Amino acid sequence: SQQGEEDPQALSIQEGENATMNCSYKTSINNLQWYRQNSGRGLVHLILIRSNEREKHSGRLRVTLDTSKKSSSLLITASRAADTASYFCASRAGGYNKLIFGAGTRLAVHP
Amino acid sequence: DGGITQSPKYLFRKEGQNVTLSCEQNLNHDAMYWYRQDPGQGLRLIYYSQIVNDFQKGDIAEGYSVSREKKESFPLTVTSAQKNPTAFYLCASSHDNGTGANVLTFGAGSRLTVL
Repeated sequence: SQQGEEDPQALSIQEGENATMNCSYKTSINNLQWYRQNSGRGLVHLILIRSNEREKHSGRLRVTLDTSKKSSSLLITASRAADTASYFCASRAGGYNKLIFGAGTRLAVHP
Repeated sequence: DGGITQSPKYLFRKEGQNVTLSCEQNLNHDAMYWYRQDPGQGLRLIYYSQIVNDFQKGDIAEGYSVSREKKESFPLTVTSAQKNPTAFYLCASSHDNGTGANVLTFGAGSRLTVL
């Protein structure tokens, strides 16, 4: 079962534009994480937001969390071609140390 | 440099054969995980282990087996009972820092193709 569902499934933008990806989850969480995956590679952790936080920044990344709506968003500002990748949200559900991933958003940034 | 090493990167298997994917970490992480990824989809948890000599089934454990005899190693065997094993397999580890914020470090993945 998937805890998180990303929206949109695919996003295509020009360099310099902002990219916004959304994630919805089903059960109560302690924290929500975002990961990035370049094609054919492993995932890389980007940012973690705890359930008692509403917004967090890291460089060009901004994550928001709305626990009342069970949703989160990832904003990448001033996108670059190198940002082209798939982005996944992940949250802990059920047992300890068990992260559940959504299906991801495929972002394409065109020069 | 600390990290997770998965091998082989590419593996081809005939139907009916068992194969074992290797995962080694030198991060001194307690927990290790195996995920399966199919094209255009997210990650599904196969097995995870929080400590040595202990592991739990994830959402899609049927047709897979694991062992955790050493903290550094968590090999995954894809058995002939797995009906559709062609996929990208990702190993990950995490350190329990007591806050419940188990950030995962991933290996580069192993791509298994059944011929």
